[in-house]
Amino acid sequence: KQEVTQIPAALSVPEGENLVLNCSFTDSAIYNLQWFRQDPGKGLTSLLLIQSSQREQTSGRLNASLDKSSGRSTLYIAASQPGDSATYLCAVQAGTALIFGKGTTLSVSS
Amino acid sequence: GAVVSQHPSRVICKSGTSVKIECRSLDFQATTMFWYRQFPKQSLMLMATSNEGSKATYEQGVEKDKFLINHASLTLSTLTVTSAHPEDSSFYICSASDRRSSYEQYFGPGTRLTVT
Repeated sequence: KQEVTQIPAALSVPEGENLVLNCSFTDSAIYNLQWFRQDPGKGLTSLLLIQSSQREQTSGRLNASLDKSSGRSTLYIAASQPGDSATYLCAVQAGTALIFGKGTTLSVSS
Repeated sequence: GAVVSQHPSRVICKSGTSVKIECRSLDFQATTMFWYRQFPKQSLMLMATSNEGSKATYEQGVEKDKFLINHASLTLSTLTVTSAHPEDSSFYICSASDRRSSYEQYFGPGTRLTVT
C-alpha cells in the first residue's frame, strides 16, 4: 500500500531564507508526483507536477526534484517570502488516485 | 483553463438531515471526478472515484449508502451526505480529470461542512 510521508510537519523561517521540504513514498511505481499549496480553509493550488520520467520541474522560485528509485522528492523554495506561508502537500499518482502526505506547514516571518 | 468549482463553499446543517455538494468543471469535460475528505491537520483522503454515467467506486471504509455520488454529465458530479452526523463535519474537496489527460487532476476550492 502506497504511503506518503512529509518531513518536517511544520517549519518556521525568517524572510529571505532558502528552504527544502521533503516528501518520501514507499512504492516507486508511480505515474507522477505533484506538489500543492493549501491556504487555511481553502482548496489546493497545484504548484509543480513531475512525470515519472522526469527528474525535476521549476516554476519561478520553486524547484521540485524526483528520485523515483529512492522514493523521494524535494521542494526547494528560494528567497522565501511571508506570502509563501501555507501548507505544502505532496501527492503521488499510481492509477487514477492521488495519495497525499499530511503536509508541511510553512510560516515565513517578515 | 481547467477550472473546477464547488457549491456551496460552506454549509451548516442539523444532525439527521442531508446535504448536497456540487462539483463542476467549468471549461473542460471531466470523464472522471474524485471526492476527497480532509479532517483538521490531516491529509486529503480519497472517498470515491466517479466516472460519467457509471456508478462510483468507493474506497474501503466509506459507506456508499451514506455518501451518495452522482456523475450525470461530463461537467457535474454531486456528493450527498445523507443523515449527517457531527462526525461527518469535514472539508470536502472534489477534483476532475480532463478527458484529454487522464493523469492530471484539477481541484475545486472545497466545501466546509459543519453538522450541529
